[in-house]
Amino acid sequence: DTEVTQTPKHLVMGMTNKKSLKCEQHMGHRAMYWYKQKAKKPPELMFVYSYEKLSINESVPSRFSPECPNSSLLNLHLHALQPEDSALYLCASSQDRRTGRTGELFFGEGSRLTVL
Amino acid sequence: DQQVKQNSPSLSVQEGRISILNCDYTNSMFDYFLWYKKYPAEGPTFLISISSIKDKNEDGRFTVFLNKSAKHLSLHIVPSQPGDSAVYFCAATPSIQGAQKLVFGQGTRLTINP
Repeated sequence: DTEVTQTPKHLVMGMTNKKSLKCEQHMGHRAMYWYKQKAKKPPELMFVYSYEKLSINESVPSRFSPECPNSSLLNLHLHALQPEDSALYLCASSQDRRTGRTGELFFGEGSRLTVL
Repeated sequence: DQQVKQNSPSLSVQEGRISILNCDYTNSMFDYFLWYKKYPAEGPTFLISISSIKDKNEDGRFTVFLNKSAKHLSLHIVPSQPGDSAVYFCAATPSIQGAQKLVFGQGTRLTINP
């Protein structure tokens, strides 16, 4: 199984809603990532979890709250978002960087978020 | 300040010919470089990589060249096939930090014409 599965594929929410994006992998990877991608822009790193602990937070606003319940699951909780947060949110995983190819990420298909 | 730049947003190539995608970087700490390919409605997938101790890496129809002095890398696809039509992202990282510090370029949309 070499898949990273993201749900939902599409999400529309109001600025007062609370919602969550979910990501799952069963490749035994110990690092998981959230990226944000706006149209015609490169993916931008938001968070990195390594061995279920948050290791990198790229100064992301607190209205985005990541959670890693176990080594296979990664969530992104959304609350009080702004219309400019509308984007494609990509989850990725990788082996511990001491094994496997450096920098090789396995991406999900993404969750397209629209904030009204 | 974009540390990884792909200056060509799009490229169109005839089937069977060579496709050359270019990428420039500014951060001297980058010593590992990757190319990812993205089809519509899918996440990016890893294609090929190169370490700064090499100047060329080949995998089938795909070859990546690295010119460290010019801080430039390129991806050659030969022969190009219709299935190669996709967006290609260049990415770079300091290898000591591995996948955790990948920086992506803006992407180049490659179209292979039959």
